[in-house]
Amino acid sequence: DQQVKQNSPSLSVQEGRISILNCDYTNSMFDYFLWYKKYPAEGPTFLISISSIKDKNEDGRFTVFLNKSAKHLSLHIVPSQPGDSAVYFCAASINAGKSTFGDGTTLTVKP
Amino acid sequence: EAGVAQSPRYKIIEKRQSVAFWCNPISGHATLYWYQQILGQGPKLLIQFQNNGVVDDSQLPKDRFSAERLKGVDSTLKIQPAKLEDSAVYLCASSLQPTSETQYFGPGTRLLVL
Repeated sequence: DQQVKQNSPSLSVQEGRISILNCDYTNSMFDYFLWYKKYPAEGPTFLISISSIKDKNEDGRFTVFLNKSAKHLSLHIVPSQPGDSAVYFCAASINAGKSTFGDGTTLTVKP
Repeated sequence: EAGVAQSPRYKIIEKRQSVAFWCNPISGHATLYWYQQILGQGPKLLIQFQNNGVVDDSQLPKDRFSAERLKGVDSTLKIQPAKLEDSAVYLCASSLQPTSETQYFGPGTRLLVL
């Protein structure tokens, strides 16, 4: 039973356009959500997070939206840059404890 | 500030052999995590230490996996005996506090079991 799902294994966008990465979860106890970015041969790095008391969190070009009723969150990257090409993992936790990760979405930003 | 160090970076072994991975967390980080990432999947937590005590090892296959964090600094993860399905990247992460946001990951050790 996978509690965090990223249904799109890959996404390709043009430089300068918006990238939207999606994530769904099933456990209603999750109250803290994170996005990580991973380059090849490196470990994941924390990108942005959101608490369940909010529905939006913004950090520069990155915005995370949370829809609790739909158990869905999304990461928006605007504008997308070639350096954003990486694998993006969605993760969820209870009380900011142990994280449960999705399987990742590979984003390719074309120049 | 130096990041999380892991060694070796790559390891190839035969099934039923044993293998050990080493992790040196960021200085001063009390919390240390070991994750297993199978190709095409997200990281799965194997064990979490707070200083030298185990906080969570619920997903560690204890019949073949073991981990220790002597003196609350470096940590080793051992697999004995290895199975084909243990082929994965083993990631170590550390944090000042046991909260998810502040985890810093090492580059991982890629294990291939033949």
